[in-house]
Amino acid sequence: AQTVTQSQPEMSVQEAETVTLSCTYDTSESDYYLFWYKQPPSRQMILVIRQEAYKQQNATENRFSVNFQKAAKSFSLKISDSQLGDAAMYFCAYSRGAQKLVFGQGTRLTINP
Amino acid sequence: ETGVTQTPRHLVMGMTNKKSLKCEQHLGHNAMYWYKQSAKKPLELMFVYSLEERVENNSVPSRFSPECPNSSHLFLHLHTLQPEDSALYLCASSQTSGEETQYFGPGTRLLVL
Repeated sequence: AQTVTQSQPEMSVQEAETVTLSCTYDTSESDYYLFWYKQPPSRQMILVIRQEAYKQQNATENRFSVNFQKAAKSFSLKISDSQLGDAAMYFCAYSRGAQKLVFGQGTRLTINP
Repeated sequence: ETGVTQTPRHLVMGMTNKKSLKCEQHLGHNAMYWYKQSAKKPLELMFVYSLEERVENNSVPSRFSPECPNSSHLFLHLHTLQPEDSALYLCASSQTSGEETQYFGPGTRLLVL
């Protein structure tokens, strides 16, 4: 069974600085999708970024980028120029068809002003 | 309304009550999901509906009963729940192609007394 591991239960960063959240996963598949979701205190789970495993190029969305290392099964999220609104729980997730998402345990990110 | 909506946002019920959670998506998607989010645990997929047919039931107790009358609406009927069922229940939707991104509602915070 696929598993997703986020080894950092909590992280903090100074406003305007850069932070990297870690995620590793376990799968025997070669074709799959990886996601980072953000859940602020309002509880709405919001998609931050998505990566297709067949693409070598790392996905980027404005201040958010990923470092996808397929051989190492690693999928980290880098947030540049951190803003107060980035404070949230961040979940890494894996999908391999059949409409199933497997989530990690989450990392709580605090932004210090 | 846009995106995925859920009602009620908060619910308190006794173990002998019967209540229902409602989810509505305005995205034209054909797949809908129920997830359970408990404290300090990864999100757990409960049910998946694709084109109004249940395609996944992750060993969920029968006291949870889903209903999908059409591709825009999803219900979760609750009866004789236990205190350990207290959690945040999230609804999501996606296209039916399997690997498509899921879009989440704000959740219903359920407390079972």
